[in-house]
Amino acid sequence: EDQVTQSPEALRLQEGESSSLNCSYTVSGLRGLFWYRQDPGKGPEFLFTLYSAGEEKEKERLKATLTKKESFLHITAPKPEDSATYLCAVQALKTSYDKVIFGPGTSLSVIP
Amino acid sequence: GAGVSQSPSNKVTEKGKDVELRCDPISGHTALYWYRQSLGQGLEFLIYFQGNSAPDKSGLPSDRFSAERTGGSVSTLTIQRTQQEDSAVYLCASSLGRSTYTQYFGPGTRLTVL
Repeated sequence: EDQVTQSPEALRLQEGESSSLNCSYTVSGLRGLFWYRQDPGKGPEFLFTLYSAGEEKEKERLKATLTKKESFLHITAPKPEDSATYLCAVQALKTSYDKVIFGPGTSLSVIP
Repeated sequence: GAGVSQSPSNKVTEKGKDVELRCDPISGHTALYWYRQSLGQGLEFLIYFQGNSAPDKSGLPSDRFSAERTGGSVSTLTIQRTQQEDSAVYLCASSLGRSTYTQYFGPGTRLTVL
């Protein structure tokens, strides 16, 4: 069964303290892996799509990487405004349409 | 439009009443999705539309839930005889569909059933 897990469930960082969030997936062939950011009371905001192992994408202080079993979201020198829940989602090759499976998310708090 | 829009942003209803939630996808996006997010929980897939067809309704929790899409654009999610466990944020997303799968989300409708 296709599955997505994320760790840690919650993470508190001091401003400027770099760290990584993990997304582990089990899927019979990966079509794409997605990272989203969700602020309280808002819909998820798209960050990155990764398609193949070894791929990396960057946006400001965020860098997403992908292996055959997991993805990491690296946060360099975070600021309080990076506080949010980060969601990972995967789409399997076997799906004939655009269904994705979301992980439970990692709640990130960056303390000034 | 510039993004996915949803209305209303908040809905408070009494147990047993019917509610309709609306989603306007990004112009030109053929695929549309409904999700439910309960407090502190992840996203629960409800239904997917490609054009006006719904090839996957597997996530609808009960026959009280239904959805339609007209003109390949606006979608309405209807919940009949609402129950307190229906209280959640209902999120809509759209994507170009087929070869481009990135989903873009609306702000959600917060439903509270008293």
